[in-house]
Amino acid sequence: QYALTQPRSVSGSPGQSVSISCTGSSSDVGGYNYVSWYQQHPGKVPKLMIYDVSKRPSGVPDRFSGSKSGNTASLTISGLLTEDEADYYCNSYGGSYTSVVFGGGTKLTVL
Amino acid sequence: QLQLQESGPGLVKPSETLSLTCTVSGGSISNTNYYWGWVRQPPGKGLEWIATVYFSGTSYYNPSLKSRVTISIDTSKNQFSLNLRSVVAADTAVYYCARRPSPGRGFDIWGQGTLVTISS
Repeated sequence: QYALTQPRSVSGSPGQSVSISCTGSSSDVGGYNYVSWYQQHPGKVPKLMIYDVSKRPSGVPDRFSGSKSGNTASLTISGLLTEDEADYYCNSYGGSYTSVVFGGGTKLTVL
Repeated sequence: QLQLQESGPGLVKPSETLSLTCTVSGGSISNTNYYWGWVRQPPGKGLEWIATVYFSGTSYYNPSLKSRVTISIDTSKNQFSLNLRSVVAADTAVYYCARRPSPGRGFDIWGQGTLVTISS
């Protein structure tokens, strides 16, 4: 059981846009601008794609964007490529006690 | 280029203690801009944060694991470590060590991960 709720799967066709939601509470997602998103290909190490809700680390394409409204954060991937097919996890700061909470992950399929 | 590398036994018996070390190379673990943590991923499942430590020794724990976990840091060796006591089969997972710029921000650099299996 995960503190943050993500859809188990989403899909899209090459060139399209998809969004993945991440719903928490006012104690985590809604309370801080510290939402991160990770991409993980099978058998590989998670890769940071978005941090601080909407910032991209160096080297991450601008096709990846993040946003937040209330207790729900979203990752949007535009101009889908087949290489974007992977699992995506959201992560939020949960305050000084809980500190870090993850979502259960979303499998993105590029049809 | 900063790199993290996990080390430790790949097989631990139930009820025993899982001990892992993360060696940091290409940078100092005493850098005041960063925190260091452990994340695990059971086979076929999602990511779970375990604990985070600062160079000063200040530590943060996942409440669901706190009673069994100790994270520590050795700045002289540029390493930090994880001890998970009284392990059960459900603790079987790939264990990653990782760096984060603050307790709130994302883990930006990860180790390759090490699979630890709990079995007799």
